[in-house]
Amino acid sequence: DQQVKQNSPSLSVQEGRISILNCDYTNSMFDYFLWYKKYPAEGPTFLISISSIKDKNEDGRFTVFLNKSAKHLSLHIVPSQPGDSAVYFCAAFNQAGTALIFGKGTTLSVSS
Amino acid sequence: GAGVSQTPSNKVTEKGKYVELRCDPISGHTALYWYRQSLGQGPEFLIYFQGTGAADDSGLPNDRFFAVRPEGSVSTLKIQRTERGDSAVYLCASKTTAGANVLTFGAGSRLTVL
Repeated sequence: DQQVKQNSPSLSVQEGRISILNCDYTNSMFDYFLWYKKYPAEGPTFLISISSIKDKNEDGRFTVFLNKSAKHLSLHIVPSQPGDSAVYFCAAFNQAGTALIFGKGTTLSVSS
Repeated sequence: GAGVSQTPSNKVTEKGKYVELRCDPISGHTALYWYRQSLGQGPEFLIYFQGTGAADDSGLPNDRFFAVRPEGSVSTLKIQRTERGDSAVYLCASKTTAGANVLTFGAGSRLTVL
């Protein structure tokens, strides 16, 4: 049973517009969430994180929002650029803090 | 080293053979993780080392899979009697114990079992 879910396999956005990637989780005890970006033939690279004591974290063009009551988080990219085209993974640390649990990923395509 | 290094980058083997995949973590990172990523899926947790010991091996799929980290640095993932279903990219990540809770990944080892 998937504990971290990314229900949209793909998203297409025009350059300059906002990209919104969504993620849901099932375990209310999860308290630290991360987003990773992955290009083909490379390992995932860390993008941004958020702790459950916050509802928003911003880093340049990237903002992550956390809604604990809905067990939902989202990643906003503004403005989107063609170089943002990649697979984006949402992840959460398990309760014991020993493993990072990933969603299946969303492939973002930004067209110029 | 500067990043997490994994070798080989590609490995093709025949069903039933034994395979070893190596991970060289970032210098000073005490935590090391192995993940497996199949096509169209996210990385799937296999095992977590804190120093030399396996602190969590709950993700290893069966007893054909084994991992070691004898000196608390380099780790080797060992797969016995490989099966076609073992074909995947095997990712290694490391993390410092102090500071931010962020895993740094290597580029992965692509395993193909024919």
